[in-house]
Amino acid sequence: RKEVEQDPGPFNVPEGATVAFNCTYSNSASQSFFWYRQDCRKEPKLLMSVYSSGNEDGRFTAQLNRASQYISLLIRDSKLSDSATYLCVVNKGGYNKLIFGAGTRLAVHP
Amino acid sequence: GAVVSQHPSWVICKSGTSVKIECRSLDFQATTMFWYRQFPKQSLMLMATSNEGSKATYEQGVEKDKFLINHASLTLSTLTVTSAHPEDSSFYICSADRASEDNQPQHFGDGTRLSIL
Repeated sequence: RKEVEQDPGPFNVPEGATVAFNCTYSNSASQSFFWYRQDCRKEPKLLMSVYSSGNEDGRFTAQLNRASQYISLLIRDSKLSDSATYLCVVNKGGYNKLIFGAGTRLAVHP
Repeated sequence: GAVVSQHPSWVICKSGTSVKIECRSLDFQATTMFWYRQFPKQSLMLMATSNEGSKATYEQGVEKDKFLINHASLTLSTLTVTSAHPEDSSFYICSADRASEDNQPQHFGDGTRLSIL
């Protein structure tokens, strides 16, 4: 079983749509959770950290369920510029090593 | 914001060549740097953790004699791919931890695309 699992997609959605990505992780000792975005042939860029109480940043909402070891990302009012691969990232136990999911591809079309 | 610079951004060279990639933290001190590799359509895979002033810690399956890591200062880590072969062609990315931060997001370099002919 992979340490971080994501639906690879692709998710093809029209502009303005709401789209949700899910992620599960296997290490119950993980303490830090992030969503990164990666554009084609570029480095990952931090989208947002994920906190236990859930958090929102503009059109983006992240949720964490520690009991189920499940993380989600909701994007509202999708823009063309949101097209990218979204990476679910978890730290490895108590260390600051990051484990990346394989990513979920999002394609937003006009 | 924190900036991590990686150089070179693109390398094309012949099989058997050794290639050195530099990772620098430009405006902060990084006690720990991480080296990742990403093959097409796959996730980033951690290769090794580089600690300033000590030996790097390699992940399982990563050959330490093949991928030499040096972290001589708080702002510079280097990865040398020795005697590179076509199967080493990949996207190599470094990231850095600020010395003062725990469990905070890492800051990534913009990656090095390595192509071995």
